[in-house]
Amino acid sequence: RKEVEQDPGPFNVPEGATVAFNCTYSNSASQSFFWYRQDCRKEPKLLMSVYSSGNEDGRFTAQLNRASQYISLLIRDSKLSDSATYLCAVNLGSSASKIIFGSGTRLSIRP
Amino acid sequence: DAGVTQSPTHLIKTRGQQVTLRCSPKSGHDTVSWYQQALGQGPQFIFQYYEEEERQRGNFPDRFSGHQFPNYSSELNVNALLLGDSALYLCASSSPSGPSQETQYFGPGTRLLVL
Repeated sequence: RKEVEQDPGPFNVPEGATVAFNCTYSNSASQSFFWYRQDCRKEPKLLMSVYSSGNEDGRFTAQLNRASQYISLLIRDSKLSDSATYLCAVNLGSSASKIIFGSGTRLSIRP
Repeated sequence: DAGVTQSPTHLIKTRGQQVTLRCSPKSGHDTVSWYQQALGQGPQFIFQYYEEEERQRGNFPDRFSGHQFPNYSSELNVNALLLGDSALYLCASSSPSGPSQETQYFGPGTRLLVL
């Protein structure tokens, strides 16, 4: 079993739709969690950190479920510019010592 | 405020050769992590350097080695290149202290093609 698993997609949704991704992790000792966005042929950029029960930033909401060992990302009122690959990342330690990424979920927003 | 920089941007090598990739961390950061990202995959953790020492290592062979300099910049060396080493190599920097201690900032990467 992979340490961090994501549905690869692609998710193809119309502009204005709400879309949600899940990410599961296998190590119950994982300390912190992140969502990154990666555009084609670019580096990953931090979208949100998820530390406790979740957090919200504008149209984006991240949730953590420690009991079931998954995190989720919800995008409301999706824009064309949201088209990208979304990477889930899990920090296995108490500092930035080893961050494991999922394979990413591709999202395509259509007009 | 300069972000993470990497050089070169692209590189073509042949099997068996050796390559060195370079990374300068974001200003104020002292920790550098290296990742390999194959096409269609997420970044795979290679190793992390802090205080000029390798602090953590992923599941990569000894052909992959690194170094961190006193100015916190870092190099990734790969010996005896294989076709499967073709990938985007990403460097990320972070600081072990402060409110954003776990946040990693990525450089633009070096695209390595092994022929």
